[in-house]
Amino acid sequence: DAGVIQSPRHEVTEMGQEVTLRCKPISGHDYLFWYRQTMMRGLELLIYFNNNVPIDDSGMPEDRFSAKMPNASFSTLKIQPSEPRDSAVYFCASTAGYGYTFGSGTRLTVV
Amino acid sequence: QQQVKQSPQSLIVQKGGISIINCAYENTAFDYFPWYQQFPGKGPALLIAIRPDVSEKKEGRFTISFNKSAKQFSLHIMDSQPGDSATYFCAASKAGSYQLTFGKGTKLSVIP
Repeated sequence: DAGVIQSPRHEVTEMGQEVTLRCKPISGHDYLFWYRQTMMRGLELLIYFNNNVPIDDSGMPEDRFSAKMPNASFSTLKIQPSEPRDSAVYFCASTAGYGYTFGSGTRLTVV
Repeated sequence: QQQVKQSPQSLIVQKGGISIINCAYENTAFDYFPWYQQFPGKGPALLIAIRPDVSEKKEGRFTISFNKSAKQFSLHIMDSQPGDSATYFCAASKAGSYQLTFGKGTKLSVIP
C-alpha cells in the first residue's frame, strides 16, 4: 500500500485565492482526519469523517474552510479566500482503528 | 484549552543517554495514549501506545510509563541515537472515539 497520499506537497498562493488540498486515504480505512500544524499551535484537528460522513467540524477555523469526502478514496480541504494566517502544514490521516497513518502533508504558504 | 500538556518543548541528549518526555492530561475519559514520532518533511508516525490498565509498555528502546492517579504518562528512549532526533508528540483519545488530542510536541536532538 502506498500509504496516505496528499497533494500538492507544496502550495504557494496569493492572499484571496482559493486553495484546494487533496487526500487519498488508505483503502479500507473508514476514518479520515484533517489536521493543521503550526509552530505556535501544534497539531490541530480541523475535521474528521467516518464512512465519508463529516462527524466533527468544530475545529474548522471559520467559514472560509470547507471539507468534503465524496467517496471512500478521496477527500478535499478547501480554503476560500485564503489569508496569510492560513500558512501552515496541513496533514491528512486515516485509520481503521486506533493507529493513525498520516500523509506527508501539504505545506501551504499564503503571501 | 489544552487537554494534553507536553514537556519539555525541546531536549538535547548525548548519544547513549536516556531521553524522557512527559505528558499530563485532565480528562479522565481518556483511555488510549499513543506517542507519535515525526521527522522533518514527514507526517507523524505511530511509535508506541498504552492503555491505562497497565503501568508500563516497552518496545525495544522505547518505553511508556503511565501513572493513572497522577494523570501523567511519559516516553523513555533508552540508549538514544542520532537517528532518534525527531519531534515527538503524545496524544490521547476517549473511550469509544478514535479522535486524538495531541500535545504540542518535543523536539529531540541526540548529539554524538
